[in-house]
Amino acid sequence: DIVMTQTPSSQAVSAGEKVTMSCKSSQSLLYSENKKNYLAWYQQKPGQSPKLLISWASTRESGVPDRFIGSGSGTDFTLTISSVQAEDLAVYYCEQYYDTWTFGGGTKLELK
Amino acid sequence: EVQLVESGGGLVQPGRSMKLSCAASGFTFSNYGMAWVRQAPTKGLEWVATISYDGSSTYYRDSVKGRFTISRDNAKSTLYLQMNSLRSEDTATYYCTRATYNNYFDYWGQGVMVTVSS
Repeated sequence: DIVMTQTPSSQAVSAGEKVTMSCKSSQSLLYSENKKNYLAWYQQKPGQSPKLLISWASTRESGVPDRFIGSGSGTDFTLTISSVQAEDLAVYYCEQYYDTWTFGGGTKLELK
Repeated sequence: EVQLVESGGGLVQPGRSMKLSCAASGFTFSNYGMAWVRQAPTKGLEWVATISYDGSSTYYRDSVKGRFTISRDNAKSTLYLQMNSLRSEDTATYYCTRATYNNYFDYWGQGVMVTVSS
């Protein structure tokens, strides 16, 4: 099974700050035939269901603000929020869909 | 508008059974794979099971294989999860999700709580 590891587990931030969080997979998520990384990012706000933010490691879903930026390839991935807003306080999960499905443990963004 | 509405949760004793349902609307249900993802209290997300658009293929995490069965009724636009031999570690909120063709989860229901306790 592919193991997904997210760091840090929590991060205190101030509004306007740039934030980065990491997601590492135990094996490559890059499919050689189409050169795509099978990695998604989800946002879960308190008391709500998860929401898909990014697929294919870097493709933002329709309506997702452009301050959310996904990057990386192979086994190392990053979600960057270029200027954190109060409404971005949530838990962020990465997920691989290369071989069945596995979620990372999440990174919780908290207010500093 | 895509809507996924789960039902059927509640309190159940260890070893007993429970069946969850997910009513889908706002899209052509028979064109999409569907999945269940759960979240234990204060914990992260955990994939449980996935079914293909036509029901011909199913996939399960190891800890539920042989105990849980995912199924669907395309005529009713409804997804199911039959859970047998329930354990305390199955206690969680269960989310119904839609799987894209490439299998990431693009829409989620509001979730239904299952508590396994004597």
